[in-house]
Amino acid sequence: EDQVTQSPEALRLQEGESSSLNCSYTVSGLRGLFWYRQDPGKGPEFLFTLYSAGEEKEKERLKATLTKKESFLHITAPKPEDSATYLCAVQVVGGGGSNYKLTFGKGTLLTVNP
Amino acid sequence: KAGVTQTPRYLIKTRGQQVTLSCSPISGHRSVSWYQQTPGQGLQFLFEYFSETQRNKGNFPGRFSGRQFSNSRSEMNVSTLELGDSALYLCASSPDGANQPQHFGDGTRLSIL
Repeated sequence: EDQVTQSPEALRLQEGESSSLNCSYTVSGLRGLFWYRQDPGKGPEFLFTLYSAGEEKEKERLKATLTKKESFLHITAPKPEDSATYLCAVQVVGGGGSNYKLTFGKGTLLTVNP
Repeated sequence: KAGVTQTPRYLIKTRGQQVTLSCSPISGHRSVSWYQQTPGQGLQFLFEYFSETQRNKGNFPGRFSGRQFSNSRSEMNVSTLELGDSALYLCASSPDGANQPQHFGDGTRLSIL
């Protein structure tokens, strides 16, 4: 069974204090790994897609990386507006080729204090 | 470009009733997926539709069903509601599902009394 584990469950940072969130996965065959941000009362907002080990994507203060077993979301010099729950999800190969569901981790609740 | 629209935003029902939730995908997107989000289980996949056909289904009882119309709009129905069905129901769309990010609406918050 495909599994996605995110750590830590919660992270509290001071403004400007860089850190990383982890997403480890156990899947039969990875089609893609997705990072989302979710604010309270809102749906998940797409951030990045990573397809193969060694791939990196950047957007403002965020950088996502991928290995064969895990992905990291690096947050550089975070600001209070980066406070949110960050979700990791995988899409796997299988199910007759038409299995496009996302399997999500439980998320990391990030709080950035001013 | 308009995002994914879900209606209604909030619903309160009692046990035993049934409910229908609606989702309008991003224009041009033909794949629509539904997820249930709860504090304990996180986001769990319900089903995915493409060109009016259910392509994939998650591990939920038959009380949960859906359909997709020719304009790609989708509805989800839950019959014989139980207290445990209280959750945020999220709809996501993508062009055709494969290797592409799914874009989510803000969900329907369903509360069962």
